[in-house]
Amino acid sequence: DTGVSQNPRHKITKRGQNVTFRCDPISEHNRLYWYRQTLGQGPEFLTYFQNEAQLEKSRLLSDRFSAERPKGSFSTLEIQRTEQGDSAMYLCAGQGNTGELFFGEGSRLTVL
Amino acid sequence: SQELEQSPQSLIVQEGKNLTINCTSSKTLYGLYWYKQKYGEGLIFLMMLQKGGEEKSHEKITAKLDEKKQQSSLHITASQPSHAGIYLCGADITGANNLFFGTGTRLTVIP
Repeated sequence: DTGVSQNPRHKITKRGQNVTFRCDPISEHNRLYWYRQTLGQGPEFLTYFQNEAQLEKSRLLSDRFSAERPKGSFSTLEIQRTEQGDSAMYLCAGQGNTGELFFGEGSRLTVL
Repeated sequence: SQELEQSPQSLIVQEGKNLTINCTSSKTLYGLYWYKQKYGEGLIFLMMLQKGGEEKSHEKITAKLDEKKQQSSLHITASQPSHAGIYLCGADITGANNLFFGTGTRLTVIP
C-alpha cells in the first residue's frame, strides 16, 4: 500500500461528457504528479504540484485537461468534452522528502 | 519516451535463472527510478538511484546507475514466478522529478 488512493478506479463515459478523477496522497507528499498511460506504453507525464502550486502544466494534452490541488492535499484531474482518444489509465503519484515517488492504483477511463 | 530506451521489450526466462534489464538515457539523469507493474494495476516502487555508480539491492533485485548517470540496469537473481510483470524505468532529466518512462520490459518466468 503506497498510501496514494485514486477514485474512481474505473469510469465509463460517453463521448462529449466531462469526467473528474480524484487523488488522495498521504500528508507527507508535498509533491503530487499526474500521468497518463495507454496500453503497451509507459506512463506519460501530464502535470505536477508542489503543495497547492501547479508548477508544470505545459504537458497537459489539450486545454480540455485541467488539474487542481486547492488545499495542497487531494488533487483532481478533469477532462472536459471527452474523446475516444482519452481512453487510458490516469495515474497519480505522491512524493515526500525522501524523493521516492509512489503511485496510486490508477483510474481507468473508457470513452464510448 | 524518445529520451529513454529500455531493453529488452520482453523476456521469458526459466525459474531460477538470472536476468538483466537495461535502461539508457540520451541525457544525464538527475535520478532513475525502477518500478514493477502488473497488468491493469498501478506502479510498485522498487528503487531510486541518484548518484553516479550507485547500486541498491532489495531481496533478489539489484539496480545500478553508471558513473555517467546515463545508463541503469536492473538485475534479478534466481528469478521466481512472483517476479513476473512489467518493469519500467523512469528518468528524471529536469531535476523536478517529473519522470519520463521507457516502454517497459515484460517479464515472464516459467515455473
